Amino acid sequence: AQSVTQLGSHVSVSEGALVLLRCNYSSSVPPYLFWYVQYPNQGLQLLLKYTSAATLVKGINGFEAEFKKSETSFHLTKPSAHMSDAAEYFCAVSPGGYQKVTFGTGTKLQVIP
Amino acid sequence: NAGVTQTPKFRVLKTGQSMTLLCAQDMNHEYMYWYRQDPGMGLRLIHYSVGEGTTAKGEVPDGYNVSRLKKQNFLLGLESAAPSQTSVYFCASSDGGTRGDTGELFFGEGSRLTVL
Repeated sequence: AQSVTQLGSHVSVSEGALVLLRCNYSSSVPPYLFWYVQYPNQGLQLLLKYTSAATLVKGINGFEAEFKKSETSFHLTKPSAHMSDAAEYFCAVSPGGYQKVTFGTGTKLQVIP
Repeated sequence: NAGVTQTPKFRVLKTGQSMTLLCAQDMNHEYMYWYRQDPGMGLRLIHYSVGEGTTAKGEVPDGYNVSRLKKQNFLLGLESAAPSQTSVYFCASSDGGTRGDTGELFFGEGSRLTVL
């Protein structure tokens, strides 16, 4: 069984401030972990993924996430928020292969000018 | 690069009507999925397919049927629409097969369905 918990359904940051979106997971097998971003009225697109190659994963648009097995966490960060980062972000976990991907409930990021 | 294409993008139905959502992918992916997205609930898997001619139930399959007659297409049907099926529907595909598939999903842009 697997599950994903995203802390905070809404997060607001000032432009230029640090972005931190939290994700904790549970999985009975070594997981693959993902962050997807959804801009208004669009589908989800991959931001970054952890596939066991490196614990610190860099993604698009300056985002990165660190896999911490001891904390079962995969938090998403960006040093300096930009107005264009306003979107909804989803954390997801998968055992791989045809096994189903489980999504968190999402965190809406608001960037205040 | 079309990727995953969904049609229609918007539809309004009356209770009891039927309709079909079409998903087409041009990436030769083995696996295809239908999700629904509702506020505060994330994405929930309706049905999925691991290959042409195969389908399986996901987390919330009731009231929906699917077919995958061709590898590139995955159809989602509502036989008798209900207001509870008002949602945004997303189709996704993934590579699958034996190449260490991580489960990375490629999404369409969504189909917004309203049932009155």
